[in-house]
Amino acid sequence: GDSVTQTEGQVALSEEDFLTIHCNYSASGYPALFWYVQYPGEGPQFLFRASRDKEKGSSRGFEATYDKGTTSFHLRKASVQESDSAVYYCALGDRSNTNKVVFGTGTRLQVLP
Amino acid sequence: EAAVTQSPRNKVTVTGGNVTLSCRQTNSHNYMYWYRQDTGHGLRLIHYSYGAGNLQIGDVPDGYKATRTTQEDFFLLLELASPSQTSLYFCASSESERLFFGHGTKLSVL
Repeated sequence: GDSVTQTEGQVALSEEDFLTIHCNYSASGYPALFWYVQYPGEGPQFLFRASRDKEKGSSRGFEATYDKGTTSFHLRKASVQESDSAVYYCALGDRSNTNKVVFGTGTRLQVLP
Repeated sequence: EAAVTQSPRNKVTVTGGNVTLSCRQTNSHNYMYWYRQDTGHGLRLIHYSYGAGNLQIGDVPDGYKATRTTQEDFFLLLELASPSQTSLYFCASSESERLFFGHGTKLSVL
């Protein structure tokens, strides 16, 4: 079945560092791809999505580009802040299967002041 | 903003116990989902539904039943709870693949 792989379980950075969190997917066709963010004690929140090759999604300074060639949707941010500390989830939507949405294992980002 | 309410927020039961987790959404979304969240596994889909009376099987359905009684209400049932079902459970609703999550129910099975 469809799946999402996030290779980094945890990332620790200092403020103003550049962030990359890797996301690769396995699916047929053109699934929709998403990033969600989860703060402590809350449910995950939608960050942004992309639904076709080379489309860039972005929000709050974060961005990712849908790359069908490498089956990737890596999350990047040029300069992280302490308030960005959270867990980030990559996800895909299987449009051929009644909106089934599958998540990766998540990456915990800790930004040190 | 979409509103998804889960109850209870915390639940403790014993092995073999009967548990029902409730979820209500007030946005008239067609799709609703139940996920469990565990360290090292992220969010795993248990069951989902695209309308009252409909049920779709997710990726980790064993030991769980679900029922969508109305557009608003989606229930997750554990009829013989086991310690392996100790987890944080999230409900979500969606209209166009963007999910809106509740705050979660922490379930402990002793």
